[in-house]
Amino acid sequence: QVQLQESGPGLVKPSQTLSLTCTVSGGSISSGSYYWSWIRQPAGKGLEWIGRIYTSGSTNYNPSLKSRVTISVDTSKNQFSLILSSVTAADTAVYYCARGEARSGGSCYLDSWGQGTLVTVSS
Amino acid sequence: EIVLTQSPATLSLSPGEGATLSCRASQSISSYLAWYQQKPGQAPRLLIYDASNRATGFPARFSGSGSGTDFTLTISSLEAEDFAVYYCQQRANWPLTFGGGAKVEIK
Repeated sequence: QVQLQESGPGLVKPSQTLSLTCTVSGGSISSGSYYWSWIRQPAGKGLEWIGRIYTSGSTNYNPSLKSRVTISVDTSKNQFSLILSSVTAADTAVYYCARGEARSGGSCYLDSWGQGTLVTVSS
Repeated sequence: EIVLTQSPATLSLSPGEGATLSCRASQSISSYLAWYQQKPGQAPRLLIYDASNRATGFPARFSGSGSGTDFTLTISSLEAEDFAVYYCQQRANWPLTFGGGAKVEIK
């Protein structure tokens, strides 16, 4: 059974860059047909999908964040990463990584999630 | 982007009662809808996919229905462990989008 684990700094200063890594265990990140996503959730609020990288390496981002987001994959480490630039307090949230199996018609549901990591943007 | 609107935002019910949660899409999404259950301090967990298919590990008291723009999650008889927040999510188009959530709380 695949497991995902987020890691990275819990505190980032305004205007700086947020960097998180998701380590995948129990399966290869490069095998099968999967989308690897990042999702975030501000305290007491709902879920916002940030973007995804496909097994092939192709990416797709939420238009609301697209200018600031980069998602990449390191198959040698079985990890994928999130970079969010020019952060503000509005980017304070729990960040989740998740896996979704590619389905007919494209896109996916999110069937395996990491436990989440809180990132606070503050000086 | 497809907007998903959930209603009601909060349901106050007693164990043993039934719950009906609604999710409406801003345009037709066929049956490309999922429901997630989220408990405090935990990640969401896939509950229903493709509108009506129950994910592994969830009992039969959970059921989903609908197509097009209107979808329903039904919990036939609430157990203590069902009190949580439920989100719908569409996969018809990128970006993936979620509804605002519906909290099922103990009355």
